[in-house]
Amino acid sequence: DSGVTQTPKHLITATGQRVTLRCSPRSGDLSVYWYQQSLDQGLQFLIQYYNGEERAKGNILERFSAQQFPDLHSELNLSSLELGDSALYFCASSVAPLTDNEQFFGPGTRLTVL
Amino acid sequence: KNQVEQSPQSLIILEGKNCTLQCNYTVSPFSNLRWYKQDTGRGPVSLTIMTFSENTKSNGRYTATLDADTKQSSLHITASQLSDSASYICVVSAKVNAGNNRKLIWGLGTSLAVNP
Repeated sequence: DSGVTQTPKHLITATGQRVTLRCSPRSGDLSVYWYQQSLDQGLQFLIQYYNGEERAKGNILERFSAQQFPDLHSELNLSSLELGDSALYFCASSVAPLTDNEQFFGPGTRLTVL
Repeated sequence: KNQVEQSPQSLIILEGKNCTLQCNYTVSPFSNLRWYKQDTGRGPVSLTIMTFSENTKSNGRYTATLDADTKQSSLHITASQLSDSASYICVVSAKVNAGNNRKLIWGLGTSLAVNP
């Protein structure tokens, strides 16, 4: 158990809908990262937050947005969902903002768009 | 272009046997290289992190090597167990600018199946 929690574990929705994925980092970690992993694909970095501020942006679509709240939990919002958005979404956390720090991954949220 | 390539794409071995997974990268400037283990449907778990000056690093039955000159790394698994069945991902950290920012370049992984 990495100490990073993600909810929900599974999510099934329809095209065009909007969903919110939630992540709570390990106790003491200030940095949160979001990744997308499509079937048989590598992990794609989406976005990073550190202590409430956006730190780095990867291949995140304009339909997707994220935020980190004062209690350090983070939410990833996915809107106007398409079939291709079906994937595993992982959250990771680290102590400090530099991506060189070891990242601890949560169990993921499996999103299925029908 | 920064890239990380892993081979083989998949591998099947018998329990108790050893195996070696390869990672070649074209990442510059290099910061460090990591190996992760990812069980099916689970989040990746870090096995080793190696900097430029480190040639070998072990974590139990896992031994990673790094040749910064040839930009190659390998992960050797000794006396494999059924629980070693997973995807093994090589990740290289690149320095983004003169500051402390880094960018992680993820390989696609090697899928290892250990059969009884």
